[in-house]
Amino acid sequence: AQSVAQPEDQVNVAEGNPLTVKCTYSVSGNPYLFWYVQYPNRGLQFLLKYITGDNLVKGSYGFEAEFNKSQTSFHLKKPSALVSDSALYFCAVRGLDQGGKLIFGQGTELSVKP
Amino acid sequence: EPEVTQTPSHQVTQMGQEVILRCVPISNHLYFYWYRQILGQKVEFLVSFYNNEISEKSEIFDDQFSVERPDGSNFTLKIRSTKLEDSAMYFCASSRSWLRTYEQYFGPGTRLTVT
Repeated sequence: AQSVAQPEDQVNVAEGNPLTVKCTYSVSGNPYLFWYVQYPNRGLQFLLKYITGDNLVKGSYGFEAEFNKSQTSFHLKKPSALVSDSALYFCAVRGLDQGGKLIFGQGTELSVKP
Repeated sequence: EPEVTQTPSHQVTQMGQEVILRCVPISNHLYFYWYRQILGQKVEFLVSFYNNEISEKSEIFDDQFSVERPDGSNFTLKIRSTKLEDSAMYFCASSRSWLRTYEQYFGPGTRLTVT
């Protein structure tokens, strides 16, 4: 079965510092991995995805993610955090079945303080 | 930029009542999804829909739930007889393809409160 784990419920970072939000996955076959962000009272916004190729994937708002097959991880990163990055971040893997559902991790609350 | 829209933003209903949640997916997308997020919990898949048929459904999506695409633009989720445990945020999503390489785009959600 496909699954995703986000080991940290909350990550606290000072503005200007680098941030990492962790994600590990368990899949059969090739993983198709996604990061979404949810701002308060908003829907989920797509940030980036890993399909194949370069292990470092660049996405929206200066975010990037590093795919590591040996560690089955797909950590989200940003070199310099902004207060406006404070939100709930979800890692997800695309399911194997015909419908292509997303299977989400439990989410990580990122708090960036000035 | 095209967006998925959902109405209403908040629905309050009494236990046992029927509710219909509405979504307008992105116009050139062919695959449609409903997810829900109970407060404080992860986002859970409910159902996927393509070519006027359910492609896949989760164990949550029992006989009380149904989906429909009544016209060329709307995609609806109906709960026939709501329970307290149906209280959640319901998200609609759409995708250009079911292929796993394609991302899904989510609407802002409908917060359903069952009293």
